[in-house]
Amino acid sequence: AQSVTQLDSQVPVFEEAPVELRCNYSSSVSVYLFWYVQYPNQGLQLLLKYLSGSTLVKGINGFEAEFNKSQTSFHLRKPSVHISDTAEYFCAVTGGSNYKLTFGKGTLLTVNP
Amino acid sequence: NAGVTQTPKFRILKIGQSMTLQCTQDMNHNYMYWYRQDPGMGLKLIYYSVGAGITDKGEVPNGYNVSRSTTEDFPLRLELAAPSQTSVYFCASNGGSVSNTEAFFGQGTRLTVV
Repeated sequence: AQSVTQLDSQVPVFEEAPVELRCNYSSSVSVYLFWYVQYPNQGLQLLLKYLSGSTLVKGINGFEAEFNKSQTSFHLRKPSVHISDTAEYFCAVTGGSNYKLTFGKGTLLTVNP
Repeated sequence: NAGVTQTPKFRILKIGQSMTLQCTQDMNHNYMYWYRQDPGMGLKLIYYSVGAGITDKGEVPNGYNVSRSTTEDFPLRLELAAPSQTSVYFCASNGGSVSNTEAFFGQGTRLTVV
């Protein structure tokens, strides 16, 4: 069975500071990994995904994530955040022959002026 | 391309009433899911389906029922609504191959039980 752990439930940062949102997964098979973003009072939308190939993936709005197989991690980073990045971020995993998605509990990123 | 469509967007129910939340997708996805989201609590999986005629419980199935008679539709039934079911409900779907494993979400249904 797969599982996802988002290590921080809340991350407050100041505008223009760098941020890292941490995600660790557990799976016995090859994985596909995703980050989703949910802005206030909206649904979830895909930020970026790792399916194969380069371990550094770039997404929308200047976010990127690095797949680290040895550490079973897929941390999300942005070098300089904006107020508009305030949202909840969800990490998700699927893989093997079972494409059922498993989500983490989410990390609330709050960007302060 | 509509993606995942949920109806209604908002609903107020009285305790003990029943209702069905509708979800339909036009991407021919095998997998469909229902989640509930309470403030600060992330997403909790209620039920999911891996294809027409196949459904399974998630982590919080009590008080809900689902059916999957077609690939496109995955309605969620609330029987005997309770205040604890006040929440925002999201439907999602994804495909059964590497090329379409990304999940798409509906815009949500905000349900209040009073």
